[in-house]
Parts: sequence; C-alpha cells; structure tokens
Amino acid sequence: DAGVTQSPTHLIKTRGQHVTLRCSPISGHKSVSWYQQVLGQGPQFIFQYYEKEERGRGNFPDRFSARQFPNYSSELNVNALLLGDSALYLCASSLEAVRGVSTDTQYFGPGTRLTVL
Amino acid sequence: GQNIDQPTEMTATEGAIVQINCTYQTSGFNGLFWYQQHAGEAPTFLSYNVLDGLEEKGRFSSFLSRSKGYSYLLLKELQMKDSASYLCAEDSNYQLIWGAGTKLIIKP
Repeated sequence: DAGVTQSPTHLIKTRGQHVTLRCSPISGHKSVSWYQQVLGQGPQFIFQYYEKEERGRGNFPDRFSARQFPNYSSELNVNALLLGDSALYLCASSLEAVRGVSTDTQYFGPGTRLTVL
Repeated sequence: GQNIDQPTEMTATEGAIVQINCTYQTSGFNGLFWYQQHAGEAPTFLSYNVLDGLEEKGRFSSFLSRSKGYSYLLLKELQMKDSASYLCAEDSNYQLIWGAGTKLIIKP
C-alpha cells in the first residue's frame, strides 16, 4: 500500500511569490495535518483537516491556507512568501481526527523542502 | 515546541541502553507520541502511550506517568542505525504539540 505522498519534493521560490503544496493521504485515512519544520526544531502544527473541514489551526498568519478535497487529498497554500517560510513542510495522515485514541496515529509523508530566496 | 521539554542531544555506545526523557504540561493531555526522525527524512511513528506504565515493542520501550507529566523512550541494544532525532509529541486538546527533538549519537 502506498504511504503518504507529497509533491513537489523540493521547491525554490522568491520572496513575495505564492506556493501550493500537495498531499495524498494513506488510502482510507480521512484526516490530513500540515506541519512546518525548521532545521533543528520539532514540527510546528499549521492545520488539521478531517472530512474536508478544518478541525484545527496553529499559530500561523493568514498567508497560510489549506483545503481538503472529496478524495481526502489536501493542498497547503502560502501567499506572499517570506525568507522565514523556508522549511520542510510535512503532511501527515491519520484514520480519524486527533481525538486522543490510537487510531489518531499520524503517518508522515516525505515532506516538501521549500527554499525562499 | 511550547510546553514540551527534552534534551537537545545525547551520546551512547553501540550495544548499550539509552533513556530519552520528555516532560510536558498535563492540562488537556490525551496521549504521548514518540517518533524517530533521521536527518533529512520525515518522522516515523514509534509509540503512543495513553495510560501509565511501560509499553515494550522490541528494542524500544516507552513509559508514561500522567501525574508527573513525564515520559521516556528506552532504546536497548543500540545499533548505529538508531542514530537519529527522537521527538516526543503531546496530544493535548486534540492537537499535537511537538518537542524540538533529542539528537541521539551512537558511537562504536
């Protein structure tokens, strides 16, 4: 079975540009979460979507937005890119939304390495 | 990450045992995850503790004390491939809050 897939693998953008990152969850998983991971730090939560609805949002500016499609895939959009947006963007899928039970285990995709110049 | 504390770096010898500690704030706690992350790769799931006590999974074990807001990951019979960062993540109020990770260096 395919795991979580993300595209593109690497991306280079310049300040002020816009970027769209894509994620396909594990088959049967209904929840997708997005994280930003800066080198040397743990992942920072950006969004969680479950059944196409936003279930959680981290402390990120409105330049960050996301959506989930009927097939449970998801897109993360970032507008007006800043140098500080350079990071590894991770997508994780889980069977259900995070509810404090074992089925909430999140499985990560390989990530998209975004570099903003 | 906020509210999660774990050591920045640890060094251990191949074949030995190492314990990586993690403390967290207890309000809104639902469970505690441990993930392994090799450099340049995505985190991979190791364990999830909801109840107090030790859960063993092969060479890796994870312990939780909810009253103390404390968990540890125990790695036995260390192998060179265990060199990685180990992240604890608290399932708090239905969001995951991550620690910065503990970089484990294994020496032969």
